[in-house]
Amino acid sequence: EAGVVQSPRYKIIEKKQPVAFWCNPISGHNTLYWYRQNLGQGPELLIRYENEEAVDDSQLPKDRFSAERLKGVDSTLKIQPAELGDSAVYLCASSFYSSGELFFGEGSRLTVL
Amino acid sequence: AQKITQTQPGMFVQEKEAVTLDCTYDTSDQSYGLFWYKQPSSGEMIFLIYQGSYDEQNATEGRYSLNFQKARKSANLVISASQLGDSAMYFCAMRDSYSGAGSYQLTFGKGTKLSVIP
Repeated sequence: EAGVVQSPRYKIIEKKQPVAFWCNPISGHNTLYWYRQNLGQGPELLIRYENEEAVDDSQLPKDRFSAERLKGVDSTLKIQPAELGDSAVYLCASSFYSSGELFFGEGSRLTVL
Repeated sequence: AQKITQTQPGMFVQEKEAVTLDCTYDTSDQSYGLFWYKQPSSGEMIFLIYQGSYDEQNATEGRYSLNFQKARKSANLVISASQLGDSAMYFCAMRDSYSGAGSYQLTFGKGTKLSVIP
């Protein structure tokens, strides 16, 4: 069974440029999460989807970040414009309703110059 | 608000020895879950072990065991017979109570970097 797939694995951009990350969750998992992990820190939740509905986006900086999960499967996280402080690893995870476990992708490492 | 504290930024252990990674938590919920994840240099978060707040027995998964002390609000990870491949970041995380349709989120600590010495 395929795991959570993220792309790109690495992205280097200049500040003020836009960037987008894509996530394909495990088949059948209705809940999808985007986490941001700064260097030397634990992951912090940005947004959580149940099917196509964003049920928790309180930590998403909405002035520059946006996310969507069309048809309740794949998801895209966008940053526009990027700032130096956005350099981090963006982790996608998925889970099934009653599961006690989140399955993570390998992450997308963003460097903003 | 929930909080996870991992006080050990880095730990060293000799190969084949056991090591304990500390984790304390703070929550007002009666029902919660505690997780440990391993993050190797590749970046993927790998689930290791889970302990529910109502579980009476400490969780075990192969070489991993969770020393759950509810009154002290601690959930330490014990790795027995350390291997070189255990070198990685280890994160303790807590699941909040179920909300809405039943999904939940994890709150992570800052992690402990474990280095296994040959």
